[in-house]
Amino acid sequence: EDQVTQSPEALRLQEGESSSLNCSYTVSGLRGLFWYRQDPGKGPEFLFTLYSAGEEKEKERLKATLTKKESFLHITAPKPEDSATYLCAVQVRSGNTPLVFGKGTRLSVIA
Amino acid sequence: DVKVTQSSRYLVKRTGEKVFLECVQDMDHENMFWYRQDPGLGLRLIYFSYDVKMKEKGDIPEGYSVSREKKERFSLILESASTNQTSMYLCASSVDSNQPQHFGDGTRLSIL
Repeated sequence: EDQVTQSPEALRLQEGESSSLNCSYTVSGLRGLFWYRQDPGKGPEFLFTLYSAGEEKEKERLKATLTKKESFLHITAPKPEDSATYLCAVQVRSGNTPLVFGKGTRLSVIA
Repeated sequence: DVKVTQSSRYLVKRTGEKVFLECVQDMDHENMFWYRQDPGLGLRLIYFSYDVKMKEKGDIPEGYSVSREKKERFSLILESASTNQTSMYLCASSVDSNQPQHFGDGTRLSIL
C-alpha cells in the first residue's frame, strides 16, 4: 500500500531558528512529489513540485529537496508568518491515479 | 492564477437533508476532486473526475455522490446528511495527474 508519512506532527520554532520538515514515502513508483501550505480555515496552497531524486526547489525562506525515499522542506530563519500546516503529497505510478497525502506538519513560529 | 471557487464557506444543514456542494474552476482543467478534511485524519478523497460526465470513487465514497455535467463544475451531493458528515470539504482541480492540484478555500459543513 502506498503511504506518505510526515514528521514531526507539530513543530514550534523561535523566529530565526531554522529547521526541516520530513516527508517519507513508500510507494510503488514515484512520478512526482508536491508540497503545500495550508492556513487555518483555508484550502492548501501549492508550493513546489519535485520529480526526481536530487532535485531542489526554493521560494523565499523555503527549500524543498528530494531523495529516493523522502523529501525535506527546509525553513531558513523563519518568521511568524510562516506559521501554517505543511502538507506533502505524492503522485504514484503512471496514468491518472489520485495523489496520496500525508497528514501534515503544523508549524508555529514564535516572535 | 488558477481559481477554484466553492459556493459556500460555511453551511449548516439538518440530518436527513439532501445537501449540494458546488465547485467551479476557471482554468479548463480536466481533473477535479472532492476531499474532506478532519483533525487527525488528514485529507481523504471522496470522489474524483478525469473528464466530463465521468466519475470515480475515492477512499470514502459512502453516503456521497457527484455530478459533472460541465467541465468547469463538479458537484458533491450528500444524499441524506448525517452528523458524521460534519467536516471541512475541499474541492481541487488539476491539468493532469502530473501537475499539482489547486484547491478552493473549502466549505465548513455542519450537520445538526
